[in-house]
Amino acid sequence: QLQLQESGPGLVKPSETLSLTCTVSGGSISSSSYYWGWIRQSPGKGLEWIGSMYYSGSTYFNPSLKSRVIISVDTSKNQFSLELTSVTAADAAVYYCARQTYEYGGLYYFDYWGQGTRVTVSS
Amino acid sequence: DIQMTQSPSSLSASVGDTVTITCRASQSISSYLNWYQQKPGKAPNLLIYAASSLQSGVPSRFSGSGSGTDFTLTISSLQPEDFATYYCQQSYSTQLTFGPGTKVDIK
Repeated sequence: QLQLQESGPGLVKPSETLSLTCTVSGGSISSSSYYWGWIRQSPGKGLEWIGSMYYSGSTYFNPSLKSRVIISVDTSKNQFSLELTSVTAADAAVYYCARQTYEYGGLYYFDYWGQGTRVTVSS
Repeated sequence: DIQMTQSPSSLSASVGDTVTITCRASQSISSYLNWYQQKPGKAPNLLIYAASSLQSGVPSRFSGSGSGTDFTLTISSLQPEDFATYYCQQSYSTQLTFGPGTKVDIK
């Protein structure tokens, strides 16, 4: 059974960089047909896709966050990571990592999710 | 970006009811539409992909339909464990977007 687990600091200071890692177990991050994504949910709000990556390193991002986001992969550790720079209070949220299955013609869906990690932005 | 809207934003229903939630895209997205269920404090759970395909392990009382811009999620014979928030998500554009959610609570 595939499992994903987010890890990282739960508290980040304004203007600093939020760094999270997602560890994948029960399957390989290098499998074809899968991308790996980050999604966040601000308190009481809906879901916002942040960005996704393929194990080869190719990435694509939400345009509203693109200038501040880095997503990277470490296939040797079966992990992928999120960095969000220059955070503000608006970046406080529960951050989820998820497997993004790709099918014919561009259909993508998130079929496995981590439990989520809450990040607070405060000095 | 493709904007997703959902209606209603919330609804109250009873166990055994049939519930229909609508999702609308700001432009045609073919059948590139997925549905998720989220319970408080939990990660979303995939219910339906490609507008009408039931994810493995999801009860058959959940069904999806639609194409183009208008989609529906139907829950037949609502069960106590179905009270949750439901989100649609499009993947027609590589800029993936979710709908704002529909909360289903107990009448």
